[in-house]
Amino acid sequence: GQSLEQPSEVTAVEGAIVQINCTYQTSGFYGLSWYQQHDGGAPTFLSYNALDGLEETGRFSSFLSRSDSYGYLLLQELQMKDSASYFCAAPGRQLTFGSGTQLTVLP
Amino acid sequence: NAGVTQTPKFQVLKTGQSMTLQCAQDMNHNSMYWYRQDPGMGLRLIYYSASEGTTDKGEVPNGYNVSRLNKREFSLRLESAAPSQTSVYFCASSEAVLAGNEQFFGPGTRLTVL
Repeated sequence: GQSLEQPSEVTAVEGAIVQINCTYQTSGFYGLSWYQQHDGGAPTFLSYNALDGLEETGRFSSFLSRSDSYGYLLLQELQMKDSASYFCAAPGRQLTFGSGTQLTVLP
Repeated sequence: NAGVTQTPKFQVLKTGQSMTLQCAQDMNHNSMYWYRQDPGMGLRLIYYSASEGTTDKGEVPNGYNVSRLNKREFSLRLESAAPSQTSVYFCASSEAVLAGNEQFFGPGTRLTVL
């Protein structure tokens, strides 16, 4: 099976940088995905890391270290609209989600 | 393109009642999924269909059945609803069940079982 751990809440101010960590334990590991979910909305895909290192997509970057069983999502130049829940997820036979990190961006 | 659509958006059932949640996608995806999300938690996979004609159990299949009606449609049935099935149900689709394949989610069905 797979389990993913992430902090339940993170708070930051507009314009700042925030990092959301995810540690995992898996019996088989293919990579790490990240999804964003606004309150009451559907999850939307942000990124996928199959290999170690940093993947950058605009203001968002995602990092993976297989040797440390660890990854993170980095959000730069935070905006109010970034307030949402962020989930790491590990594809395998099935996609297993972490319990999510609620990000609150303050003005 | 509508993407992934789900009906109904809201539903209230009494314990023991049955219902079917409908899901359709117009992206010609091969794989479809049903998840449930409980307050403050991540999504848990109920069932998935890797391709038309196949279905497999996920993490929490008890109390549910599914039908892959055709390539576009994947329904979830609760035969005898229980309060523990109160949740938000999301349908999703992807090109294939492969690591890293982006999953596209529908807007969700908010189900309350009294």
